[in-house]
Formats: sequence, structure tokens, C-alpha cells
Amino acid sequence: DTGVSQDPRHKITKRGQNVTFRCDPISEHNRLYWYRQTLGQGPEFLTYFQNEAQLEKSRLLSDRFSAERPKGSFSTLEIQRTEQGDSAMYLCASSPSGSGATYEQYFGPGTRLTVT
Amino acid sequence: GNSVTQMEGPVTLSEEAFLTINCTYTATGYPSLFWYVQYPGEGLQLLLKATKADDKGSNKGFEATYRKETTSFHLEKGSVQVSDSAVYFCALRQAGTALIFGKGTTLSVSS
Repeated sequence: DTGVSQDPRHKITKRGQNVTFRCDPISEHNRLYWYRQTLGQGPEFLTYFQNEAQLEKSRLLSDRFSAERPKGSFSTLEIQRTEQGDSAMYLCASSPSGSGATYEQYFGPGTRLTVT
Repeated sequence: GNSVTQMEGPVTLSEEAFLTINCTYTATGYPSLFWYVQYPGEGLQLLLKATKADDKGSNKGFEATYRKETTSFHLEKGSVQVSDSAVYFCALRQAGTALIFGKGTTLSVSS
């Protein structure tokens, strides 16, 4: 297993355009998380899935953002009508599920979005 | 709500110096605590973790002890190397929830 992968690694788009990012988690992990990291800040939680079910969404996830994980494997994050404030690194992480909070989240390399 | 506060950087040290990066947290209940590291051009990696009070996490010469009484999880290393230059993030997690990160502390080690 090569770990969590994300595609594309970099995306430059013009304000108002739609963009979609893909995340492929570690194959046996049934939890998948999306985070956003802006310059000089730590990652901030956006949403997470257990299998195909989206279980939690942050208030950071405006109506322009939508995430899916249709078959419980890869996930997509779409941003509609992008704004300059959406410029950030979008991180995906996966983990196994189970009781407690001790299981590690494995992070992908991120997709850097620049909105011009 | 839950939050993590880290000392602001950058932290600049000479090789073999002692490192401390302070981290305090606010949380209800008993979260698990983590230190993640982000090397230049790479993704976040778990450095160490502690799941209950008085636990000590350790890895690659780094240590941190879960102090419930002071709500702290300070990162320490006795002798830093140039290769330790990175951004370090303290984080907490309650059961069943996502990680909450601090803002990160940039460490720069010179030879």
C-alpha cells in the first residue's frame, strides 16, 4: 500500500470556476477526512466519512462545498464558484474505525488550490 | 469548545541544542494528544501520541508527556539535528471526532 494519495497536487483556477479534488485512502481504512490548511495555520476539519456515509460536516463547509464517497473507497471534494478565500491546501486523511480515539490518521500530500 | 495553543515560532536552534515546543489544550473530557510533523514539501506525519494522563509518547528522540493538571503536552528533544527542521503541530482528538490542530511551530536548525 502506498498510502493516501490526492489528485491533483496543484490546481490554479479563476474565481467563479468549479474545481474537484480526489482522495484515495489506504485501502483497508473505512474512515476518510478532509481538512483545509491555510498559510501559517494548522489544518482545520471540513468533513468526514465512515464508509460511504458522511457523518460530520464543519461549519467551515459552506454550501459551495460538497464531498462524496460513493462506494466507500475514494472521495471527491468539489468547490463551486470558487472565491479567492478558498485558496488553501486541501488535505485528506484516512484511518481505520473502532472504539476510542487512538487510531492514527494517515495524511495525503494535499492539493494546493490557488484561486486567481 | 476544544482548542490547542502552541508557542509561536519560528524557533531557531543550533545543532545539538535542547528543544522545547510548548502546547496547551482546552477540552472537555479526556482527549488523546498528538504531535504531527510536516517536513518541507511533504505531508503531515504522526510523530508521537499519548492517550491518557501521564502517558509519555516518544519517537525519533522526541518526547511529550500528557499532563492533565496543566493541560499541556510539550514537545522536547535533547539534541536536535539539522534534519529536524520542519513545522510541528500539536493536536487533540476526542473519541469519534476529527483532529483539532494548533497553528504549528516552525523549527529551523543550523549546523
